[in-house]
Amino acid sequence: KQEVTQIPAALSVPEGENLVLNCSFTDSAIYNLQWFRQDPGKGLTSLLLIQSSQREQTSGRLNASLDKSSGRSTLYIAASQPGDSATYLCVGRGGGSNYKLTFGKGTLLTVNP
Amino acid sequence: DTEVTQTPKHLVMGMTNKKSLKCEQHMGHRAMYWYKQKAKKPPELMFVYSYEKLSINESVPSRFSPECPNSSLLNLHLHALQPEDSALYLCASSRGQGSADTQYFGPGTRLTVL
Repeated sequence: KQEVTQIPAALSVPEGENLVLNCSFTDSAIYNLQWFRQDPGKGLTSLLLIQSSQREQTSGRLNASLDKSSGRSTLYIAASQPGDSATYLCVGRGGGSNYKLTFGKGTLLTVNP
Repeated sequence: DTEVTQTPKHLVMGMTNKKSLKCEQHMGHRAMYWYKQKAKKPPELMFVYSYEKLSINESVPSRFSPECPNSSLLNLHLHALQPEDSALYLCASSRGQGSADTQYFGPGTRLTVL
């Protein structure tokens, strides 16, 4: 059974700092890994999706990496801004007909002005 | 248009009420999902519809009844709910159920059961 763990559970940084959010998963047979952002009481916004054959994906100030062999993914946020404050969820997906997404518990990020 | 809409945004209901949540997408997606999210917890999958047919029911109590009247619309009918059913209900859709198919989430309906 896939388990996804995110560290830290909460992170507070000053504006402008570069930061890394960590995610680990137990089943290396992962098909893809996705990072979502969730603002309080809101839905989920997909940030980056990395297929199992890929090592990283980039979008603007965000860079996500995937290392299947070690069961780890990182989300790197450059030059953080107060608007980046949200909960970031790491989500793994199994292969084939395994439709299920396995969610981490999230990292609550606060970027202080 | 990469938007999934959900109505209402907020819903308060008593335990004897019958209400429905609505989800809509116009992206041509053929897979649609209902999730339940309690405070400070990740979303939990409830139902999956594929090509308007229920393909997955994650052992959800029968007081929750999903319906997919067409490829763009997904409903969740609620009846005789309990206070512990209070949560954020999220709808999502994807092109298919393949591994490369990103799920797009709606903003959710905040449900409170009194």
